[in-house]
Amino acid sequence: GAVVSQHPSRVICKSGTSVKIECRSLDFQATTMFWYRQFPKQSLMLMATSNEGSKATYEQGVEKDKFLINHASLTLSTLTVTSAHPEDSSFYICSASTPVGMNTEAFFGQGTRLTVV
Amino acid sequence: LAKTTQPISMDSYEGQEVNITCSHNNIATNDYITWYQQFPSQGPRFIIQGYKTKVTNEVASLFIPADRKSSTLSLPRVSLSDTAVYYCLVGYYTGTASKLTFGTGTRLQVTL
Repeated sequence: GAVVSQHPSRVICKSGTSVKIECRSLDFQATTMFWYRQFPKQSLMLMATSNEGSKATYEQGVEKDKFLINHASLTLSTLTVTSAHPEDSSFYICSASTPVGMNTEAFFGQGTRLTVV
Repeated sequence: LAKTTQPISMDSYEGQEVNITCSHNNIATNDYITWYQQFPSQGPRFIIQGYKTKVTNEVASLFIPADRKSSTLSLPRVSLSDTAVYYCLVGYYTGTASKLTFGTGTRLQVTL
């Protein structure tokens, strides 16, 4: 199946600093990618939809100025957590879809564990 | 997007067949049903997808009744390594990508 790669897999940063997470589709072009956040023992929560060449679409309650999303090419989307605080510590996951027949199959990155200290 | 309801958790012994049922009463005509598996600190992994009747692949089977208001993921002869969270998702093809909304998932614990 298609491969989506996230980097880094784990990051620890100081409170107040910014962290960038990369999501790459390695063997297909993804015009749309999605960013999720997952807290311990909870389900994935969709944060935003990243569209190549245009602004991201954020879900209700997600601060667009805090979670900056850039989708500069068909294979790369980045999520920057600005001025990170301990409550931003979470597991961040990206996904990209590729059409399969009449429906799409989503492929997920391996996730990034962010710890803000 | 159709809302899904699954059991929060299930327990099984190794070697048994496990069936996880998902309810999606307001599924739309164009919606497909997809199941994902997630291990701790990893991204979800695609298991199986179907529209109606039965679908089988090398790891699981998916049973969908005629009214499509529910679906059952069947895992034959589970092993310890099948301990994970299983998510049932319902969504449709939008032309470029489908926005997937995750429900609570079912935490499957397999023991000896």
